[in-house]
Amino acid sequence: EAGVTQSPTHLIKTRGQQATLRCSPISGHTSVYWYQQALGLGLQFLLWYDEGEERNRGNFPPRFSGRQFPNYSSELNVNALELEDSALYLCASSLSRSGANVLTFGAGSRLTVL
Amino acid sequence: GQQLNQSPQSMFIQEGEDVSMNCTSSSIFNTWLWYKQDPGEGPVLLIALYKAGELTSNGRLTAQFGITRKDSFLNISASIPSDVGIYFCAGQLGGGSNYKLTFGKGTLLTVNP
Repeated sequence: EAGVTQSPTHLIKTRGQQATLRCSPISGHTSVYWYQQALGLGLQFLLWYDEGEERNRGNFPPRFSGRQFPNYSSELNVNALELEDSALYLCASSLSRSGANVLTFGAGSRLTVL
Repeated sequence: GQQLNQSPQSMFIQEGEDVSMNCTSSSIFNTWLWYKQDPGEGPVLLIALYKAGELTSNGRLTAQFGITRKDSFLNISASIPSDVGIYFCAGQLGGGSNYKLTFGKGTLLTVNP
């Protein structure tokens, strides 16, 4: 079974540009989570999508947005990039919310903002 | 919001030694998870705990869900070089819109052969 896949692996942008990151969940998983892992800060929760809808949002500005498609894949968009947006962006998927959810993570997309 | 305090921040040990790390929270969780992250990879689940007081083992790893539901620990026995990595605790409240995981800041483990 294929795991959670993320693309691109690496992305280099300049300040003010937009970045789009993509995630394909494990087959059968309908929930997708996005986390930001900046150096020394651990994993910070960004967004949670389930069944195509945004269910929860972390403490990030509105220029961080995303969506989930009918096939449950997801996209994270970061507008007006700032230097501090440089981080590893991790996507995770799980079965739909019913009881305890175990999140399975992808390898991440490394975003560098110059 | 919920916050997890994970300690120690880093550990340097000799191969064969036992390791212990823990997490405490200002609020309760209904699920505790422990993940390990290798360089360039995403976190991988080690142990999941679903019940207060639960003690669970996975090979040389043992983790417990605290009775108060506000803490958890992870022990690694007889460490080996491949145990090197960052270990994260994570708590989940569950219910409604609370299925996201809240992560500790991680414990960086270095094992000297």
